Amino acid sequence: GAVVSQHPSRVICKSGTSVKIECRSLDFQATTMFWYRQFPKQSLMLMATSNEGSKATYEQGVEKDKFLINHASLTLSTLTVTSAHPEDSSFYICSAGSKGRGTAYEQYFGPGTRLTVT
Amino acid sequence: DQQVKQNSPSLSVQEGRISILNCDYTNSMFDYFLWYKKYPAEGPTFLISISSIKDKNEDGRFTVFLNKSAKHLSLHIVPSQPGDSAVYFCAASATEDGNNRLAFGKGNQVVVIP
Repeated sequence: GAVVSQHPSRVICKSGTSVKIECRSLDFQATTMFWYRQFPKQSLMLMATSNEGSKATYEQGVEKDKFLINHASLTLSTLTVTSAHPEDSSFYICSAGSKGRGTAYEQYFGPGTRLTVT
Repeated sequence: DQQVKQNSPSLSVQEGRISILNCDYTNSMFDYFLWYKKYPAEGPTFLISISSIKDKNEDGRFTVFLNKSAKHLSLHIVPSQPGDSAVYFCAASATEDGNNRLAFGKGNQVVVIP
């Protein structure tokens, strides 16, 4: 399978500050990257879909001015949580889209970033 | 609303026995179904998928069955091994406005007892 990395794996920040999370596809070109958020014992909730070179498409209820997504190249997407609040504390996971086996559109996930806002 | 549902959040099974995970969905536009395995503090890892035009796909110890009329799929793991202990997510894929989206269930915790 394809390899997707995320950095940092864990971050603690103070309320009101901004945090940037990077997502990289290491061995393939990802035209589409996805950002998810997972609360404990809950499913992965899609936050936004970003296509290289264009604006991200945000899911309903996700504030685009708060969660800034940049997909500058075919191997890098960034998520910036601006003016973070404690309720933004969560596990953020990115994935990169690729045509998989057969016609399956498989997403390859990064290891996730644990954000804690104090 | 939850388009992909996984009931029975946890399952314990003896090593060597079969693990069966179930998943129901509501959107008939889903064209692909996938199972992911997830360890704590890690991202999900793709396990196996099935097209909506098939009813079975097998890969080693993993088999996925799809009953399209019932909007139901299941994952069978046999024989179960201790390393299979993880959370398993069912996901369904649809393409909207040219973008592919995955809808995930809440996951099933599987514990394989040695």
